[in-house]
Amino acid sequence: GQQLNQSPQSMFIQEGEDVSMNCTSSSIFNTWLWYKQEPGEGPVLLIALYKAGELTSNGRLTAQFGITRKDSFLNISASIPSDVGIYFCAGDMDSNYQLIWGAGTKLIIKP
Amino acid sequence: KAGVTQTPRYLIKTRGQQVTLSCSPISGHRSVSWYQQTPGQGLQFLFEYFSETQRNKGNFPGRFSGRQFSNSRSEMNVSTLELGDSALYLCASSLGQDNKDTQYFGPGTRLTVL
Repeated sequence: GQQLNQSPQSMFIQEGEDVSMNCTSSSIFNTWLWYKQEPGEGPVLLIALYKAGELTSNGRLTAQFGITRKDSFLNISASIPSDVGIYFCAGDMDSNYQLIWGAGTKLIIKP
Repeated sequence: KAGVTQTPRYLIKTRGQQVTLSCSPISGHRSVSWYQQTPGQGLQFLFEYFSETQRNKGNFPGRFSGRQFSNSRSEMNVSTLELGDSALYLCASSLGQDNKDTQYFGPGTRLTVL
C-alpha cells in the first residue's frame, strides 16, 4: 500500500541531544499527524497539524506542516530516556478517515 | 474513561484456519478503524466502520472482513490464514463525526500464523 517516506529509520543518540525526523510524499496531504508507539502498546497521538505552514509544539516536541503540503517534520529537544520508542508520521489525503503511515523512526538513547 | 480494549492480546493459529479479533472502543466513540502492523512497516489501513457500516476500505484481499455492532464494538475476521498474515492488528476508535477527530489506539492483538 501507499506509504509516506519517513527518515531516518532509526536514531541512536545521547540523552540531552536534540532529535529531528521527517516525512515526505509525492502527494499532497490535508492533515499530518505524529504518533509515538512504545513496546506492547498502540500508537499515541503527539501532535496534529491541519494547515500548510502550521507549527505546533507539545512540550519539548515541535512539528511543522510543510508549506507544499507534501512533508512534515518532528523535532524533540533535550531528549530524555522516556522519549525512547518508535515515532510515526501519518497523513490524510482525502479527508476520509483513512490514514497513510510512514514506516517509523526508532529512537534509541545511549545510556 | 476506559481506553480501547482488544481481545485476545496474543493468538497463535495455523495456516488455513480462520481467526476473529475483537475491539471495544472508548465509550461514546462510533468509529472503529483496523490496521495491520508488521515489523519495520508502518500501519496498513484495513477498514473503518461507523454506525455499523463500513465507511472506508483499504487494499486487502477479501479474506479480511469486519463488522460493527450497535454498541460500536467491532470484530475483524481473517479466513484461510497465510503465513504473511502474522502481524500486530491494531484498532483505533474515534468520535467519527469529523475526520479531524483523534484516533485512540488499543494495545493490539499479536497474531502468529504457523
